[in-house]
Amino acid sequence: DAKTTQPNSMESNEEEPVHLPCNHSTISGTDYIHWYRQLPSQGPEYVIHGLTSNVNNRMASLAIAEDRKSSTLILHRATLRDAAVYYCLTAGNNRKLIWGLGTSLAVNP
Amino acid sequence: DAGVTQSPTHLIKTRGQHVTLRCSPISGHKSVSWYQQVLGQGPQFIFQYYEKEERGRGNFPDRFSARQFPNYSSELNVNALLLGDSALYLCASSLEPGQGGTGYGYTFGSGTRLTVV
Repeated sequence: DAKTTQPNSMESNEEEPVHLPCNHSTISGTDYIHWYRQLPSQGPEYVIHGLTSNVNNRMASLAIAEDRKSSTLILHRATLRDAAVYYCLTAGNNRKLIWGLGTSLAVNP
Repeated sequence: DAGVTQSPTHLIKTRGQHVTLRCSPISGHKSVSWYQQVLGQGPQFIFQYYEKEERGRGNFPDRFSARQFPNYSSELNVNALLLGDSALYLCASSLEPGQGGTGYGYTFGSGTRLTVV
């Protein structure tokens, strides 16, 4: 019972921006939105998180809709090393992060 | 600084056996969480420990148990292994417990790949 909805897969070209969408229509007012990514044969890697305002860090930007029912992870210039499964997460009923299937991002050279 | 370290990296066990997986968190992190990730799925929460106390438990049978030591390292134990226990077992550390309701980020290890035959 994942609390978030993401496209199964997306494709991008190297050096181009990538916008990864996520719907979380049942998010509570105090829950953060977390993004992680998982490269093949590795554990998940923290990307970014936010509550209400847009957030930027060295890896990516997070744009959060005003009603907080959706968010978009933005990779400004995709590289081949960004090919991974990207997970968008919020808390479940027991306040634990629920992981769905994520979006598998392919980056073309 | 060393990241989250897990051992062993790979393991093959026979049905009915017992297994112990180990995790050392990032220095200074007091909370450890365990996840199971079956191939093609997202991680599933098993346990969270903070200051040696269990802070959360996922929907896993009693065959799964864990503990945290005074140095904040942790062990995950699985008894009476089943074929369905074959998975990547991930350990994540954080400064404090808290999941979706907080802004705390988690650092994951590379996992232990368990194969039950």
